[in-house]
Amino acid sequence: QVQLQESGPGLVKPSETLSLTCTVSGDSISSGSYYWNWIRQPAGKGLEWIGRIYTSGSTNYNPSLKSRVTMSVDTPKNQFSLKLSSVTAADTAVYYCAREADYYGSGSYSPSFDYWGQGTLVTVSS
Amino acid sequence: DIQMTQSPSSLSASVGDRVTITCRASQSISNYLNWYQQKPGKAPKLLIFAASSFQSGVPSRFSGSGSGTDFTLSISSLQPEDFATYYCQQSYTTPWTFGQGTKVEIK
Repeated sequence: QVQLQESGPGLVKPSETLSLTCTVSGDSISSGSYYWNWIRQPAGKGLEWIGRIYTSGSTNYNPSLKSRVTMSVDTPKNQFSLKLSSVTAADTAVYYCAREADYYGSGSYSPSFDYWGQGTLVTVSS
Repeated sequence: DIQMTQSPSSLSASVGDRVTITCRASQSISNYLNWYQQKPGKAPKLLIFAASSFQSGVPSRFSGSGSGTDFTLSISSLQPEDFATYYCQQSYTTPWTFGQGTKVEIK
């Protein structure tokens, strides 16, 4: 059973950099053709996709956050990470890591988030 | 970006009711549409992928349909454990985007 676990500071000061790590257990992060994603959710609001990374290091970021986001992967440690710079109060949210896999249905492969971490609350405040 | 719009934003229903949630994409996404269920304080859970295919372990009372721009998630007979928020998500092109969610509450 694949499990994901986010870790990192729960409090970040405005203008500083938010750093989170997702540790994958139950399988090697480099086995299979998976993308590893970060998704966030402000309190009481919907889900926002931040970006994803492949084990090769290839990344895709949400254009709305692209200038501030950096993702990396550490395959020996079975981890991937998120850095979000110049944070403001608007970046306060629960941050989730999630695995993206291609699921075959209705004649095509549909990328889907099948395993998620439990989420970690990051508050931006001085 | 592809905008995903769900309706209604919330609904009240009783155990045993049939419930239908609609999701509309701002452009055609073929059948690249997933549905997730989220309970308070928990991560979302994948219910349906490719518009109408069940994730393993999802009860058969859930069903999905649609193609192009219009999609629906139906629950044939609402159970107590189904009270949650449901999100659609397009997987046609990045940036992946979600609907704003539909909260299903107890009447």
